[in-house]
Amino acid sequence: KAGVTQTPRYLIKTRGQQVTLSCSPISGHRSVSWYQQTPGQGLQFLFEYFSETQRNKGNFPGRFSGRQFSNSRSEMNVSTLELGDSALYLCASSSGYNEQFFGPGTRLTVL
Amino acid sequence: AQRVTQPEKLLSVFKGAPVELKCNYSYSGSPELFWYVQYSRQRLQLLLRHISRESIKGFTADLNKGETSFHLKKPFAQEEDSAMYYCALRPPQGGSEKLVFGKGTKLTVNP
Repeated sequence: KAGVTQTPRYLIKTRGQQVTLSCSPISGHRSVSWYQQTPGQGLQFLFEYFSETQRNKGNFPGRFSGRQFSNSRSEMNVSTLELGDSALYLCASSSGYNEQFFGPGTRLTVL
Repeated sequence: AQRVTQPEKLLSVFKGAPVELKCNYSYSGSPELFWYVQYSRQRLQLLLRHISRESIKGFTADLNKGETSFHLKKPFAQEEDSAMYYCALRPPQGGSEKLVFGKGTKLTVNP
């Protein structure tokens, strides 16, 4: 079984721009979660999707949004980028309250 | 409030020595507790979950509800155990798979 894949792996953007990150879960997994990882704050929950519905959302501003498609693939979007948005964004998928499998992450750098 | 505390950012031991990584949590209820590990240049992966009560790679973790702790232990550390270790909690089954992570402990096992 192929693991969770995330594209792109690296991104460099400038302040004020917007960015879209993509996550393809393991085949058959319908739950996708997103996390932001930074040296200062560690791993913080962004949002969670199940069958195209957002099931839970973390404490992030409205500039952070996401969605899930019918094939369970998920995207997250960050608008009006700020320097503090520089982070590793991790996606995880599961088959329903079981082990969550993490992707390699997308490293976003905001200049 | 849901919180996971890992008091040690860094932990260094010699090969063959016992190791204990501490984790304390705050949650009103009975969450699921996990240990995740991230080896250098690898993705985050599940090491242990408390409901499994199993030993993985020689590691064990006991949930102490009275002390709200879930410390990770290994009697004889190996150099390949060097990694970042994250303790995490998840609400009991009921709709959300959101993980709340501690800030991690970097374990270094010296030869």
